Amino acid sequence: AQKVTQAQTEISVVEKEDVTLDCVYETRDTTYYLFWYKQPPSGELVFLIRRNSFDEQNEISGRYSWNFQKSTSSFNFTITASQVVDSAVYFCALSESDTGGYNKLIFGAGTRLAVHP
Amino acid sequence: DAGVIQSPRHEVTEMGQEVTLRCKPISGHDYLFWYRQTMMRGLELLIYFNNNVPIDDSGMPEDRFSAKMPNASFSTLKIQPSEPRDSAVYFCASSFGLAGGAYEQYFGPGTRLTVT
Repeated sequence: AQKVTQAQTEISVVEKEDVTLDCVYETRDTTYYLFWYKQPPSGELVFLIRRNSFDEQNEISGRYSWNFQKSTSSFNFTITASQVVDSAVYFCALSESDTGGYNKLIFGAGTRLAVHP
Repeated sequence: DAGVIQSPRHEVTEMGQEVTLRCKPISGHDYLFWYRQTMMRGLELLIYFNNNVPIDDSGMPEDRFSAKMPNASFSTLKIQPSEPRDSAVYFCASSFGLAGGAYEQYFGPGTRLTVT
């Protein structure tokens, strides 16, 4: 069965530190999609990135970068020079194929990141 | 676009009462999802629709839960009768469809339900 593991429950850093959030997934599908979402203290879930299983290129967006490695079933997220506004819970998610396609998302338990001034 | 709209934002009700949560998806999106978030169980998919048709309701916890999507711009999640263990944040999300794939889902602000 599909599974997403975010082993780090909470991470605390000081502003300007780099921080990496780990995500390990399990799936039997050969085609799948991986996502990261951010949930700030206000509660809404904000989409950050989508990756399909055929594209292992790393991605960088400003201070955010993602490292996708199929060999280790990992999709890790790094924030460079963290800021207080990065404080949030971050969720990794995996699409699960069903009769409706690949739209069913399995979420990890989330990693709570606290960035202190 | 206004994003996914949910109402009410907060609901406090007594055990046994009927609760109806509402969702307006982003215009043009053909998938709609209902999730529940609790500390104990995290984010769980309850049900999702494609073009207003329920595709997978395997996450609906009990017969007390029902969901409808009468048209492309409106969906409801109903709990009848409500119980204290239903207390959670309920999110609605929507997305475009992608044949053989999955686009990102956009989430509403959530409805925080408290059942006393």
